[in-house]
Amino acid sequence: ETVLTQSPGTLSLSPGEGATLSCRASQSVSNSYLNWYQQKPGQPPRLLIYGTSSRATGIPDRFSGSGSGTDFTLTISRLEPEDFALYYCHQYGGSPPKHSFGQGTKLEIK
Amino acid sequence: QVQLVQSGAELKKPGASVKVSCRASGYTFTGYYMHWVRQAPGQGLEWMGQINPNSGETKYAQKFQGRVTLTRDTSISTAHMELTRLTSDDTAVYYCARDRIGDGLSWFDPWGQGTLVTVSS
Repeated sequence: ETVLTQSPGTLSLSPGEGATLSCRASQSVSNSYLNWYQQKPGQPPRLLIYGTSSRATGIPDRFSGSGSGTDFTLTISRLEPEDFALYYCHQYGGSPPKHSFGQGTKLEIK
Repeated sequence: QVQLVQSGAELKKPGASVKVSCRASGYTFTGYYMHWVRQAPGQGLEWMGQINPNSGETKYAQKFQGRVTLTRDTSISTAHMELTRLTSDDTAVYYCARDRIGDGLSWFDPWGQGTLVTVSS
């Protein structure tokens, strides 16, 4: 089973700053199968990034994804007030293949 | 637009079963996998399983094997998740989410609005 570990658990930043969120896998993950979601209180998750680095429809270009193998990163270049939320990484793979999520990173206003 | 609308909140007693529905619209129901993911209060996301609405083929997370059943009714573009032998640990919001079939890619988009299942005596 592939375990995803996100860091930090909580990130405290101010609007306008940049944010870097990390997702580390216990075994290598195909770039095609690493995704990021944003979740706000009382709402379902929303797809942000798919296939490691492709932005989903309607996602601003201040969001970007990168990485390969076991280390993946979500970068938010200039934080807007609406970006403060929970972020989850998600992968599909392993043997037998299954889906798993990281435990989440909470991005909070400093 | 593509939309997944789930059934309403449920209150169940320990040992009972619950069945949650997810009605799809705005796309060809049989052309995409449907997944089920749950989120306990204040916790992260946990994948439960998936169904291919075209074939009915299912895959379940090992944790839920024998306790969860995914079905679909293609005539009304609706997927169902039934969970049996409920305990308080099953108290969570249950989501359905659409995924791609057959092109070597996988991501969940969109998600249903969620269904709160509360297990309490």
